[in-house]
Amino acid sequence: DSGVTQTPKHLITATGQRVTLRCSPRSGDLSVYWYQQSLDQGLQFLIQYYNGEERAKGNILERFSAQQFPDLHSELNLSSLELGDSALYFCASSVEGAMDGYTFGSGTRLTVV
Amino acid sequence: DQQVKQNSPSLSVQEGRISILNCDYTNSMFDYFLWYKKYPAEGPTFLISISSIKDKNEDGRFTVFLNKSAKHLSLHIVPSQPGDSAVYFCAASAVRGGTSYGKLTFGQGTILTVHP
Repeated sequence: DSGVTQTPKHLITATGQRVTLRCSPRSGDLSVYWYQQSLDQGLQFLIQYYNGEERAKGNILERFSAQQFPDLHSELNLSSLELGDSALYFCASSVEGAMDGYTFGSGTRLTVV
Repeated sequence: DQQVKQNSPSLSVQEGRISILNCDYTNSMFDYFLWYKKYPAEGPTFLISISSIKDKNEDGRFTVFLNKSAKHLSLHIVPSQPGDSAVYFCAASAVRGGTSYGKLTFGQGTILTVHP
């Protein structure tokens, strides 16, 4: 157990639907990062939150949004889902920056049918 | 634009031999590099890192080498063990640039298989 909890582990949904992925960071970590891993791809940075505020944005689609709550857990909302959104979505947390690397959760596998 | 590339999708080595995983980057702002290991159904786990002020960092069986002029880094595993079989990702960050805020850019990964 890495200390970063992601739920659900698996999600199957239809095109056009909306889903919410949840992440609880490791205790003491203020930064939360979301990454997407599609088939045969590396991890693509989506967005980062630090202590409740958006800090950096990557190649995140407009159909996707995220937020970090006062208790520091984060949610990634994916709407108007398309087949191409099928991927592994990882959440990671860190105290600050990446000097010692992140701690990743085990991911949520999203399948859009 | 793939700023971090791992050109070998897979690597197969015999137990006890050396495994060498390679990674190239294009962004000259990158100044901190990391390797992650990933087993199936798990998230990536941090393995070893190196700052651009160094050209080598060692941790047990794992050594990372950085060649800044060539924009190339490699991970050496000696001796390789069957338990090392996993996907290895290299990642890079522009820390001193002040705007990365910890964002990591990952390569596509290399599947390492260590045969007994």
